[in-house]
Amino acid sequence: TQLLEQSPQFLSIQEGENLTVYCNSSSVFSSLQWYRQEPGEGPVLLVTVVTGGEVKKLKRLTFQFGDARKDSSLHITAAQPGDTGLYLCAGLRVDSNYQLIWGAGTKLIIKP
Amino acid sequence: DAGVTQSPTHLIKTRGQQVTLRCSPKSGHDTVSWYQQALGQGPQFIFQYYEEEERQRGNFPDRFSGHQFPNYSSELNVNALLLGDSALYLCASSPPSGTQETQYFGPGTRLLVL
Repeated sequence: TQLLEQSPQFLSIQEGENLTVYCNSSSVFSSLQWYRQEPGEGPVLLVTVVTGGEVKKLKRLTFQFGDARKDSSLHITAAQPGDTGLYLCAGLRVDSNYQLIWGAGTKLIIKP
Repeated sequence: DAGVTQSPTHLIKTRGQQVTLRCSPKSGHDTVSWYQQALGQGPQFIFQYYEEEERQRGNFPDRFSGHQFPNYSSELNVNALLLGDSALYLCASSPPSGTQETQYFGPGTRLLVL
């Protein structure tokens, strides 16, 4: 059972379109992170959100942490082929400082 | 400044064999975590080493063991390999006093068990 549910599992869209991927849980997290992973490589941290309702922007990527700190979203504006990859969310539960809980990921393909 | 390095990059073993994977943390980092990532899944936490001791462990059997050396490098050992152990094994390091929020990942070792 995944404690962090990501949706959709797979998304293939045309260059220039907008998209949102979601990360949901019934558990409360002290912080939540988004990573991007490319084939043959380890995950690379994109952002960490720690405050309920927090919004962070990284160029065309907008990350939001839910008010109750149980969910998060990643919105990409005007997607580009370079955005292609596996997007993973991971959270630190409030009862643990050491163990990240991971979602299964959203595989994103941006077609030129 | 080298990031997290792992060796070997790929490995093929047969059922019942034993395997040792190696990880060198990023310079200045003293904590190493190991993860298993099956195809199409997110990483699953195996354990974390700090000060040469296992600090926390995920839901993995005793066949999975590890070690951390005085120079902070680490090994992951898996005994009695099963087909289901085939996966990408990731090592991540964190700086002193860092939590898993501040970890950097290596490229992984892809293990295939036949």
